[in-house]
Amino acid sequence: QKEVEQDPGPLSVPEGAIVSLNCTYSNSAFQYFMWYRQYSRKGPELLMYTYSSGNKEDGRFTAQVDKSSKYISLFIRDSQPSDSATYLCAMSGEGAGSARQLTFGSGTQLTVLP
Amino acid sequence: SAVISQKPSRDICQRGTSLTIQCQVDSQVTMMFWYRQQPGQSLTLIATANQGSEATYESGFVIDKFPISRPNLTFSTLTVSNMSPEDSSIYLCSVVMPNYGYTFGSGTRLTVV
Repeated sequence: QKEVEQDPGPLSVPEGAIVSLNCTYSNSAFQYFMWYRQYSRKGPELLMYTYSSGNKEDGRFTAQVDKSSKYISLFIRDSQPSDSATYLCAMSGEGAGSARQLTFGSGTQLTVLP
Repeated sequence: SAVISQKPSRDICQRGTSLTIQCQVDSQVTMMFWYRQQPGQSLTLIATANQGSEATYESGFVIDKFPISRPNLTFSTLTVSNMSPEDSSIYLCSVVMPNYGYTFGSGTRLTVV
């Protein structure tokens, strides 16, 4: 079993839809949770960065972390064709050294249709 | 957050040769990370580069194949040695900043022919 599980998709939605992307994980030591967006032929771009459980909102994006269920989500409201990309969840523990290494999900490929 | 400049952005190389990828950060960071992203896959950590000490390699990656330099707190290089077509991937450097999470460079797209 992978430490981080993410549905690879592909996921296609019409413009304006609400998109829900999810990851589950097994390592209870994870404390930092991130969502990255990666366009084709580009490096990952950090979208959301949260610590421990709770919600965080930034514009059309909302990140949720439920540590009791080991489940994280990214919601995209009013999705746009420019949101079409691969979305990667990533997480790490606290402390120094190897505890802070990122563990990535496999990525979900999203297409928003105009 | 940090700004990372990575070069080259892409290269096509002959098998058996070596390529050195450079990563420059606009602020001093303790740890720099090198990742590989094979086609259609997620990111895999190759090694962690600390200034003033040997890099720490992950399982499946060795120093002879992926030597790393870290001469100061803003710069690192990764060399892909004795390349084969299986090394064709995107190579990415990354740093972690307090309160900003991990930032990635734009990547080096390597094709080995």
